[in-house]
Amino acid sequence: DIQLTQSPSSLSASVGDRVTIACRASQIINSSLNWYQHKRGKVPKLLIHDASSLETGVPLRFSGSGSGTDFNLTINTLQPDDFATYYCQQGYSSPPETVTFGGGTQVQI
Amino acid sequence: QVQLGQSGAQVKKPGSSVKVSCVTSGDTFNNYGFAWVRQAPGHGLEYMGGIIPIFPLTNYAQKFQDRVRITADESSTTVYMELSTLTSEDTAIYYCARAQWGSRRIGDIAGLHYFDSWGQGTLVSVSS
Repeated sequence: DIQLTQSPSSLSASVGDRVTIACRASQIINSSLNWYQHKRGKVPKLLIHDASSLETGVPLRFSGSGSGTDFNLTINTLQPDDFATYYCQQGYSSPPETVTFGGGTQVQI
Repeated sequence: QVQLGQSGAQVKKPGSSVKVSCVTSGDTFNNYGFAWVRQAPGHGLEYMGGIIPIFPLTNYAQKFQDRVRITADESSTTVYMELSTLTSEDTAIYYCARAQWGSRRIGDIAGLHYFDSWGQGTLVSVSS
């Protein structure tokens, strides 16, 4: 299966900061990379699909970039509501291989 | 707003099996795929497997291949995940998620792409 490596695994930031999270795939996945936000006690939320398409209702301060094997999630002007764990996920694989998630990046104060 | 309604929390003994359900609407059931994703305490999101009900086509992560079964019932528009031979390491919150699906490359079997709506989660605790 395709492996996804996120970096950093955690970061400390302040309200108003610009934050970038990286995700590297073990093989070329074109633009088949998605980003989720997961808060403790809540349901995961899709932020970005296909590398750079913002999901409906997601604030414009979130953006995604990259293709091939290297991808980034950027949060401009970090808000208090953005402190959470972020996961990348690849949807390039077809059966018998499966989708996979990155290990997560915890964004904390 | 897409609604995915999961069954309630369960407590299981080691070695037993658990079955979790996820109810959706008819429109969603016929046009989307579904995945099961879990999060164990202190761990990240982990994909277990998925199903595209209209075929039906199932696909399991290698780690769970031998002990997970995902099924879909058209009459009740419900998707199920059954996990057998439970151990304490299976204690986790189990989520169903609606999936966009398709083929990325010509000739490929259809796969799941991304998950745009999630159930509320089901806590499964495994303890003797």
